[in-house]
Amino acid sequence: AQSVTQLDSHVSVSEGTPVLLRCNYSSSYSPSLFWYVQHPNKGLQLLLKYTSAATLVKGINGFEAEFKKSETSFHLTKPSAHMSDAAEYFCVVSDSTGGGNKLTFGTGTQLKVEL
Amino acid sequence: DTEVTQTPKHLVMGMTNKKSLKCEQHMGHRAMYWYKQKAKKPPELMFVYSYEKLSINESVPSRFSPECPNSSLLNLHLHALQPEDSALYLCASSLTASSYNSPLHFGNGTRLTVT
Repeated sequence: AQSVTQLDSHVSVSEGTPVLLRCNYSSSYSPSLFWYVQHPNKGLQLLLKYTSAATLVKGINGFEAEFKKSETSFHLTKPSAHMSDAAEYFCVVSDSTGGGNKLTFGTGTQLKVEL
Repeated sequence: DTEVTQTPKHLVMGMTNKKSLKCEQHMGHRAMYWYKQKAKKPPELMFVYSYEKLSINESVPSRFSPECPNSSLLNLHLHALQPEDSALYLCASSLTASSYNSPLHFGNGTRLTVT
C-alpha cells in the first residue's frame, strides 16, 4: 500500500522569500510522484512530476522538487514566493493497478503569501 | 486554460431532479476519471474509464451513473441526490490508465449544490 504525508497543513511566507512545502511518501516500489496546485474554485494543475529519471525535478512557475529515496521525501521548493502562488498544494503518489491509474493524495498544504 | 472542459460550471438541483455533468478532452487520452472533492479536502476517486470501458468504481452509490460515449467524452448522470452530495466534481484524463507515470490533467470542475 502507498501513502503520502504532507507535514504542514498551512504555510505562510512573505512575498519574495523562499517556499518549502514538505511531503513524505510510503510505497512498496519505485513510485511516481507529483505535485499539483489548486487555486480557489479551480481544478488541479500539474506543477511537476518525478518518474525515476533525474532526482531534481523542475516544474512550472519556478517550482522544483527533489526526490530523496533515503528520506522518502519529495519536498516542493521555490526560491522566491509571489502573491499568485497562494493556493492549495497536493503531493500525490501514483499506483498503476490493473484497472487504472490510481492516485493517492496528501491532505494538502494551504500556502499563504503575505506582502 | 485547461485542456479538459467541464460543463456546467455550477449546478443547483433538488433531490428529485435528474441532471448530467459533462466532460470533454481532445488530447487523445484514453483514460478518463471522475473525482469528488469536498471543501478543504483532497479529491476522492469515483470512477475510471479505460478505452471507454468502466474499469474502476470506488463503491459509488447508484444515484451516480457514469457514461463514456466515446474516447473524448465523459458524462456523470445524477438522480435522487442527497444534500451531502454537494461538492466540486472534477473530471480528469490521462494518456493511458496503465502507466503509473502518466499524469492526470484536470478540468476546472462543476460546483454542485443539492437542495
